[in-house]
Amino acid sequence: EPEVTQTPSHQVTQMGQEVILRCVPISNHLYFYWYRQILGQKVEFLVSFYNNEISEKSEIFDDQFSVERPDGSNFTLKIRSTKLEDSAMYFCASSEATGGYTGELFFGEGSRLTVL
Amino acid sequence: GEDVEQSLFLSVREGDSSVINCTYTDSSSTYLYWYKQEPGAGLQLLTYIFSNMDMKQDQRLTVLLNKKDKHLSLRIADTQTGDSAIYFCAENSGYSTLTFGKGTMLLVSP
Repeated sequence: EPEVTQTPSHQVTQMGQEVILRCVPISNHLYFYWYRQILGQKVEFLVSFYNNEISEKSEIFDDQFSVERPDGSNFTLKIRSTKLEDSAMYFCASSEATGGYTGELFFGEGSRLTVL
Repeated sequence: GEDVEQSLFLSVREGDSSVINCTYTDSSSTYLYWYKQEPGAGLQLLTYIFSNMDMKQDQRLTVLLNKKDKHLSLRIADTQTGDSAIYFCAENSGYSTLTFGKGTMLLVSP
């Protein structure tokens, strides 16, 4: 069964360092997403991506964040200068259609980011 | 802004029914969802309901929607130990955005 894969599963970094989280969405999907969950809090939407551009983003997704689909298979989330409060589980997801119209979102297992 | 609230923990015995409750604030939600997260895995769509429905049944799962009270529930009949997981309620609050609750941890004991 096709699945969304994410790497790394866990990354520890120093505050101020750049981090890139990688995702390989399901191959025939067109919509890509990043969500995050800070420990004990809700799963929060960060950004959605379609047709090689951001289609929607939340207030969390500020200038420190960027997304890219560099080679047609990977979908990356970059945090330029990590802060302690960026520590969270980051989930990548993909869908054939938009999630708001029962386009089922398929999630990866998550990448846990720990900022020290 | 949109908000989704759910209880954090539920413990049941194997064979009992489980009911997980959720409230949401966005009255314009078109679809409401239940996602399941097993340990070490990503979130997996369990079921969803369109906002003009008040009930949906799928094998052991029953979803009830009270749109007036903005209340959604998930009933799992004959709960099994394999149902132990975190269950997330979510609603679509934008073109492609889902708003999730914190998740309810369901623990099923033998």
